[in-house]
Amino acid sequence: DAGVIQSPRHEVTEMGQEVTLRCKPISGHNSLFWYRQTMMRGLELLIYFNNNVPIDDSGMPEDRFSAKMPNASFSTLKIQPSEPRDSAVYFCASPRPGNTEAFFGQGTRLTVV
Amino acid sequence: AQRVTQPEKLLSVFKGAPVELKCNYSYSGSPELFWYVQYSRQRLQLLLRHISRESIKGFTADLNKGETSFHLKKPFAQEEDSAMYYCALRGWGGSNYKLTFGKGTLLTVNP
Repeated sequence: DAGVIQSPRHEVTEMGQEVTLRCKPISGHNSLFWYRQTMMRGLELLIYFNNNVPIDDSGMPEDRFSAKMPNASFSTLKIQPSEPRDSAVYFCASPRPGNTEAFFGQGTRLTVV
Repeated sequence: AQRVTQPEKLLSVFKGAPVELKCNYSYSGSPELFWYVQYSRQRLQLLLRHISRESIKGFTADLNKGETSFHLKKPFAQEEDSAMYYCALRGWGGSNYKLTFGKGTLLTVNP
């Protein structure tokens, strides 16, 4: 298994543009987390899904952020419109059922200029 | 609500010195605690969890429910221990769980 796969690895975009980050969790894992990592705030939980259903999105900063999980093998995090303060590394993670270890993707480094 | 506090953003020690990374938590129920590590240019990975009560790479951590702490310790730090360390908490509750991280501590082990 290739592990959790995120794309793109790097994204540079202009303020106001729409950005879509993608995640493919490990096959068979039924939960998925999106985190944002910055120097100031560390790792913030944005949203998590269980069996493709959003369980807790209280960490989503504002309406500009949205996340979907249309099926068990794919999730997206969208920012529209993007702002410079959204610049961060965004991680996706999936834990194995019955095992509390969360496996992380390599992250997407987003820069909004 | 669940919260994890890592009071030190940066920690610098010399090789061979003991190291302790502090972690305190807030949770109304019975938590499960973890330490994750992120080496330079690598993805986050699990280092250890309290229920395993094991030592990984010389690191140990004991859950102290009275002090609501889960400090990470190593008696003799090595240069390859330099990394970002995150303490994390999962609350027990049905089949859904929320994994909350602290802000992290950047450990630098100097030669």
